[in-house]
Order: sequence, then C-alpha cells, then structure tokens
Amino acid sequence: EAQVTQNPRYLITVTGKKLTVTCSQNMNHEYMSWYRQDPGLGLRQIYYSMNVEVTDKGDVPEGYKVSRKEKRNFPLILESPSPNQTSLYFCASSLSDSNYGYTFGSGTRLTVV
Amino acid sequence: SQKIEQNSEALNIQEGKTATLTCNYTNYSPAYLQWYRQDPGRGPVFLLLIRENEKEKRKERLKVTFDTTLKQSLFHITASQPADSATYLCALDTGGYNKLIFGAGTRLAVHP
Repeated sequence: EAQVTQNPRYLITVTGKKLTVTCSQNMNHEYMSWYRQDPGLGLRQIYYSMNVEVTDKGDVPEGYKVSRKEKRNFPLILESPSPNQTSLYFCASSLSDSNYGYTFGSGTRLTVV
Repeated sequence: SQKIEQNSEALNIQEGKTATLTCNYTNYSPAYLQWYRQDPGRGPVFLLLIRENEKEKRKERLKVTFDTTLKQSLFHITASQPADSATYLCALDTGGYNKLIFGAGTRLAVHP
C-alpha cells in the first residue's frame, strides 16, 4: 500500500530533550515536506526537500532541523524542544510534478512540557 | 503577503443537499489550487487539483471551480451524505519548488 509513515503517533517530552520524528514513504516520491497544524492557523510548512541532500526552509523553520540522506526518509529533528512546539505534525510527499497532490502521513501529536 | 481565507464557521446542511465551500485568496496568482479532506486527528487526503486555465473540474459527486479574476475557488459536494462530514482544506501553489500553502479549512457537517 502506498503510504507515508510517521512515528511516533503521540509523544510527550520535556523542554530541552532532543527528539526525532521519523517519516518514510514507499512511493519513490522526490518531494517531501513537514507541516505543523495548530488550531485556527491551518497547516504551516516547516521544511521541505526536493530530493536527496536538497532541503530548504518553509514558513516556520525556527527550532527544527531536517535531513534527506535517502529518498524515502525525511526525519524532523527538534534539538531543544520548547512548549511552543507543542503541535500536530504532518509529513507529506509528492511526485515532483505539480500535477499530483500530496500524500500525508497520519500525524504526530507532540506535547512539550 | 499571500493570504487564504476559508469560512471559519462550520457549514451545516441536510443530507441530500449540495454543500458549497469557499476559498478566497489575495496577493497571489497561483498556477493551481488543490482541495483536501481532513478527518479529526488524521492527515489530509487529496481530493482534486484545478489549474489556472481550467474553469471547472469534477470527480464523482465533487466539483471545483477556479475564478482567477475573483481570486476564488468554490468546492461543491452534490447529494451530500453524513459520511461527507469533515474539514475541507484548500491549498495554493506558490510557484516554486512544489510548495503549497494551506487555508485553515472549513468544517462541514451533514445531518441525516
């Protein structure tokens, strides 16, 4: 089944403790992206990647890092999480051609206390 | 800066009626626009894409229109069913690197 897999589904952590949210897709998509979703604000892009080793900042990159060492994986790293990073996070992928929509993962609900 | 507006209030309709959701945007000229469905706690699911040179796109009971002069897209669900109840998001192409920006979504509730 074609899908984007995120882990973990839920995560509660403490301020300052580094964490990684994994994202993997099995569709050979070139483009991958991370979004956070907060009530009333919609989906906001954190980082995106056009292909292996090619990443760039989205609209809200502060406090996040990403890497794209393999085509299928695009982990999101929070080096020192803070409470304002409490949110619902989504990974998405698509073919490079803009004729196609995005395939989203099931989401990771992160709480930083 | 670009701005996307979707009705923040929920849309309540009776089963069998046509639901119409609105997406307005300013300060941008997108090459295409997409619509997604999102259920609570789940990731958005892609529904339809419409290009700037297309006035209308259909898929089963769904219809999307795109008016680049009005800077507006309308999303219609005909013969609506309770199973259509969800939040619907519109998203605009920003013209580079396949990047989309999303509206906050409109919640649709279809009552039996």
